[in-house]
Amino acid sequence: AQSVTQLGSHVSVSEGALVLLRCNYSSSVPPYLFWYVQYPNQGLQLLLKYTTGATLVKGINGFEAEFKKSETSFHLTKPSAHMSDAAEYFCAVRDDPTGFQKLVFGTGTRLLVSP
Amino acid sequence: DTGVSQDPRHKITKRGQNVTFRCDPISEHNRLYWYRQTLGQGPEFLTYFQNEAQLEKSRLLSDRFSAERPKGSFSTLEIQRTEQGDSAMYLCASSLLGTATYEQYFGPGTRLTVT
Repeated sequence: AQSVTQLGSHVSVSEGALVLLRCNYSSSVPPYLFWYVQYPNQGLQLLLKYTTGATLVKGINGFEAEFKKSETSFHLTKPSAHMSDAAEYFCAVRDDPTGFQKLVFGTGTRLLVSP
Repeated sequence: DTGVSQDPRHKITKRGQNVTFRCDPISEHNRLYWYRQTLGQGPEFLTYFQNEAQLEKSRLLSDRFSAERPKGSFSTLEIQRTEQGDSAMYLCASSLLGTATYEQYFGPGTRLTVT
């Protein structure tokens, strides 16, 4: 079965600093990888995804992630943090190779942004 | 496209009572998923529908849980004889069969508190 590990349950950065949220995956099939963001008491919003093709993917709100097969990683970055980026971030991998697209999520990383 | 909606947003119930949640997916989406998210964890897959057919259920879905999608549109999730361990956020997501993007769109969730 596929799995995701997010290193660091909390990451703190200053406004304007680089954001780096780590995600490593395990998959027996070519992985489809996703990053979602969750604001308090809300559902999940898709930030970006990797399925095939270009390994550097750009998403909304200035976030991007790079798929590195050799490192089984899909880390999320943003060059300059904004206060509004404070939220919970989840990395996910498609679990089902046959196509119904069940997602397996990591335990999440809470991003704290200080002024 | 009005997004995925869920009702109610919050539910407080006493142990032993039955509760029912509703999910309305994006109108043209034929795939619908239920996930459960407990505090400090990522969402965990519960069950999946393609049109009106329930195609997979997680082992997390005990026999006290039942889900339906009678006309292939909205879905309901019922929990009978609730237990304190059922307290969680219940998330619904939908997606469109046949697209290459594989992304799931999440609703705002129903937060259940069992007292």
